[in-house]
Amino acid sequence: SAVISQKPSRDICQRGTSLTIQCQVDSQVTMMFWYRQQPGQSLTLIATANQGSEATYESGFVIDKFPISRPNLTFSTLTVSNMSPEDSSIYLCSVLGEKLFFGSGTQLSVL
Amino acid sequence: KNQVEQSPQSLIILEGKNCTLQCNYTVSPFSNLRWYKQDTGRGPVSLTIMTFSENTKSNGRYTATLDADTKQSSLHITASQLSDSASYICVVSAGGSYIPTFGRGTSLIVHP
Repeated sequence: SAVISQKPSRDICQRGTSLTIQCQVDSQVTMMFWYRQQPGQSLTLIATANQGSEATYESGFVIDKFPISRPNLTFSTLTVSNMSPEDSSIYLCSVLGEKLFFGSGTQLSVL
Repeated sequence: KNQVEQSPQSLIILEGKNCTLQCNYTVSPFSNLRWYKQDTGRGPVSLTIMTFSENTKSNGRYTATLDADTKQSSLHITASQLSDSASYICVVSAGGSYIPTFGRGTSLIVHP
């Protein structure tokens, strides 16, 4: 199994600012995933982060808004840039082993 | 288009009672189906994972069933406890894809 440490667990931010979310995995993993979960909705994949290459973004998500870093096989960051209230969501990192493991989530509120 | 539909959207039961949550999917080709429990403001935690050849799997008071012919799954919770209050998410993966399809979840509230 994989243990994922995600932080911060929650934050309240002002519009126009940026927040960087960090995920640390206790083992080396090839692919890490970043998801967004808006209130009452299912999880939506933002991007897949591979070490040593640029992240692959899903339709509707762009690098300028959600830049991702993947400096090594155990760590990744997601930045939510130039935030607006519509970015208020839970953000989750995830890795795929024998099952899909999730971080504890970052609950973001943008005022 | 791959889809996962869950019902009911929300459910309120009394502590000690049983309940069953439903999941219908159109994901193809089917690889596996997982049920997750997500506490409010937290990340999902895996309860069960089932492949094509499995039709029942238990994890304590949680029992998942899978009918691959009708593309339906259920999660049965026995003798509910207050700590079972959470969102339960059905997640289905297609063969050849590492990106699963998520249901919207069933919000379960267990009242004392």
